Amino acid sequence: QITLKESGPTMVKPTQTLTLTCTFSGFSLSNSGVAVGWIRQPPGKALEWLGTIFWDGDTRYSPSVKTRLTFTKDTSKNQVVLRMTNMDPMDTGTYFCAHRRGGYTSGYYETWFDPWGQGTLVTVSS
Amino acid sequence: QSVLSQPPSVSGTPGQRVTISCSGSTSNIGSNAVNWYQQFPGMAPKVLIYTNSQRPSGVPDRFSGSKSGTSASLAISGLQSEDEADYYCAAWDDDLRGPVFGGGTKLTVL
Repeated sequence: QITLKESGPTMVKPTQTLTLTCTFSGFSLSNSGVAVGWIRQPPGKALEWLGTIFWDGDTRYSPSVKTRLTFTKDTSKNQVVLRMTNMDPMDTGTYFCAHRRGGYTSGYYETWFDPWGQGTLVTVSS
Repeated sequence: QSVLSQPPSVSGTPGQRVTISCSGSTSNIGSNAVNWYQQFPGMAPKVLIYTNSQRPSGVPDRFSGSKSGTSASLAISGLQSEDEADYYCAAWDDDLRGPVFGGGTKLTVL
């Protein structure tokens, strides 16, 4: 059974750096093809993909946050860490990590996130 | 403004069949698979449909997905009160080089 759980501060001040940890079980991020994604959701709004980290350490970030975002992994601890700099009140929302399934087959992406962590609400306010 | 377009809300009565549409473009739905997520208030999303029409184990066959061109649909038949939730479509976008989500549709069971 795969489980994921996010942890970190519930509140940060504007311009500060947010660090969130995703601790998971039931899979290894050192196995080929495995990936973990981060998705956020502002209060009352839609889901937004932030990025994905892959088993080989490769990372993909959404252009909207690329310059502020860094993912790292610690395979021995089964953890992925999200670091987002220069936080703004617009970054307020629930941050989810999720296990990525599927992949790229014959020129066609069939990937989805399953399961998701419970999410952690981060408020950016002075 | 989400890349994929969904109606903000749909409603139906118990037992009815409802559909939720998801409109995209050639760089996302037109080129890649579509997934659907169900989200209850205060909870994490859960995959309902993956790869256009596949149901994970445990998802009732009342839920079905389809795709045609740059659009996709989620159909829920035999509507039940416990289906009241938010539904999101998603697909990989070749231009973004990552997944994109729809704006979400709130399903109300009257």
